[in-house]
Amino acid sequence: EPEVTQTPSHQVTQMGQEVILRCVPISNHLYFYWYRQILGQKVEFLVSFYNNEISEKSEIFDDQFSVERPDGSNFTLKIRSTKLEDSAMYFCASSAYGLGYTFGSGTRLTVV
Amino acid sequence: AQKVTQAQTEISVVEKEDVTLDCVYETRDTTYYLFWYKQPPSGELVFLIRRNSFDEQNEISGRYSWNFQKSTSSFNFTITASQVVDSAVYFCALSEAYSGGSNYKLTFGKGTLLTVNP
Repeated sequence: EPEVTQTPSHQVTQMGQEVILRCVPISNHLYFYWYRQILGQKVEFLVSFYNNEISEKSEIFDDQFSVERPDGSNFTLKIRSTKLEDSAMYFCASSAYGLGYTFGSGTRLTVV
Repeated sequence: AQKVTQAQTEISVVEKEDVTLDCVYETRDTTYYLFWYKQPPSGELVFLIRRNSFDEQNEISGRYSWNFQKSTSSFNFTITASQVVDSAVYFCALSEAYSGGSNYKLTFGKGTLLTVNP
């Protein structure tokens, strides 16, 4: 069964450093998403991406965040200057329409 | 705006008991999708079911069953004869089927931690 692949599975970074989280969505999917889950809390929408542009972003997705689909297969989330409160599990997802919604296994980001 | 409420924060049962996880949603759309996900201690999100707003038939899959009632905006999940491996956090989520055609974001509830004790 097709999978959404996220790398790395766990990343530790120092406060103020830039991090890039990587995702390979399912190849025939058109919609791409990033979600965040702070430990012990609910999964929150960050951003959706369609037709090579952001279609919606949440209040969490401020100027420190950016997304890219640089080569037609990868989908990245960049955090420019990490803060302690960015520590969370980040999930990438892709869908064909709203239906075949598939999540990756997540990247646990720890900011120290 | 869409909203999902899972009022039960934690539930603890003994193995073989039946357990129902509640989910109540709010949306102004007439077309939407409802989901349940399981998050085991390993952290990944495991898809369990998707149901569209036009299909109110209850569904059963093995020990799992779902009761969708539009009249009460609820999409409850029942595990029959629970097992220790069912211990996880369970999330209910809602997607409005059309959000300008370019976004099908999911809105999650806060989750219910189910602990099944031997």
